[in-house]
Amino acid sequence: NAGVTQTPKFQVLKTGQSMTLQCAQDMNHNSMYWYRQDPGMGLRLIYYSASEGTTDKGEVPNGYNVSRLNKREFSLRLESAAPSQTSVYFCASSQIPGSSYNEQFFGPGTRLTVL
Amino acid sequence: RKEVEQDPGPFNVPEGATVAFNCTYSNSASQSFFWYRQDCRKEPKLLMSVYSSGNEDGRFTAQLNRASQYISLLIRDSKLSDSATYLCVVNIRADSGAGSYQLTFGKGTKLSVIP
Repeated sequence: NAGVTQTPKFQVLKTGQSMTLQCAQDMNHNSMYWYRQDPGMGLRLIYYSASEGTTDKGEVPNGYNVSRLNKREFSLRLESAAPSQTSVYFCASSQIPGSSYNEQFFGPGTRLTVL
Repeated sequence: RKEVEQDPGPFNVPEGATVAFNCTYSNSASQSFFWYRQDCRKEPKLLMSVYSSGNEDGRFTAQLNRASQYISLLIRDSKLSDSATYLCVVNIRADSGAGSYQLTFGKGTKLSVIP
């Protein structure tokens, strides 16, 4: 099993450009998440999908959109990139959306720089 | 008050030392608790869950005090390979999402074990 995979690993954008970060998991998990990690800020939840067909905003959703394409895939789109979106983006998945014991498995991350 | 607060660190300790990390959380409705480990430029990975009675996994001991809303991680006989950032994580029921839970991450405490 590959676990959680993310593409691309690195990306440099110019302000105003758009792009989609891809995430896929092969663990048959129900829930998927997008986080960003900035120095001194810790991990912050952008959007999540508790189950296929649903998406909800997290702590910092502005400037992003998501699509839960199917059970395996959850993409994050930046419509008009801004320098404030320079960050490391992690996708994660977990098995049981309604469970309080909710270990999340993370992908390797995408390092995005917006110039 | 931040939802999850940790010792700022960094902790620089010699091999063989015992080191303790502390964490406090603000939401008394928090359901479950974890310590994640994050190596430099890598994704977070679950180190251990934290149970009410306290739990031990080899050289690692986690304690939870619900009354004080306090979590701790003790590492005995530190190894060079323990060098990483340790994230305190709290699981809270989301406001929406049909019973879904969200993880809230502390900013992490960096540990460097020195030969």
